[in-house]
Amino acid sequence: LAKTTQPISMDSYEGQEVNITCSHNNIATNDYITWYQQFPSQGPRFIIQGYKTKVTNEVASLFIPADRKSSTLSLPRVSLSDTAVYYCLVVFSSNTGKLIFGQGTTLQVKP
Amino acid sequence: NAGVTQTPKFRILKIGQSMTLQCTQDMNHNYMYWYRQDPGMGLKLIYYSVGAGITDKGEVPNGYNVSRSTTEDFPLRLELAAPSQTSVYFCASQRAGGHSNQPQHFGDGTRLSIL
Repeated sequence: LAKTTQPISMDSYEGQEVNITCSHNNIATNDYITWYQQFPSQGPRFIIQGYKTKVTNEVASLFIPADRKSSTLSLPRVSLSDTAVYYCLVVFSSNTGKLIFGQGTTLQVKP
Repeated sequence: NAGVTQTPKFRILKIGQSMTLQCTQDMNHNYMYWYRQDPGMGLKLIYYSVGAGITDKGEVPNGYNVSRSTTEDFPLRLELAAPSQTSVYFCASQRAGGHSNQPQHFGDGTRLSIL
């Protein structure tokens, strides 16, 4: 199973762009890369998912290089409310949709 | 829409007691999951279900049981509570699992302390 590695923590300031990189060296051909966000005392919330190249939605962008061994979540112009834990996950195509959560990246946005 | 609803939000149990954590979803999702999250850690899968009447073990099933009699409900049972089961429990649902790329929808969790 593909294991993901991401930084434990990051700091940023309001208005900056934040990029969180995740490595997943053993990703399989049909697996997807998915990011979830978790605020304190809440369950994780789906942010974005991609397979290759670039995906963008109203919240974030996801950049995936051709070899798919890493991915970068980009949050444009963060605000204090973006302070949360961000999880990078590989959604395995061969099983029942089980999610393997690592420790995630704790993003602290400062004023 | 209510989404995924978990009850209770908080509970304190004594060692050896039993209880059921309730989870219900109103999105007609086939797949449902139970996770636990220990402080500072990611979520670990306890049990999951691919539809009514079908359940299977996840990564950490010992000490827990589940049932899935309806599409909407997926209760988690602790029979003999132990201090190691102190954690935050999250229920999630998904429109279709397996190779599908549908996101999972999570409830807000049940905070359980075993003393």
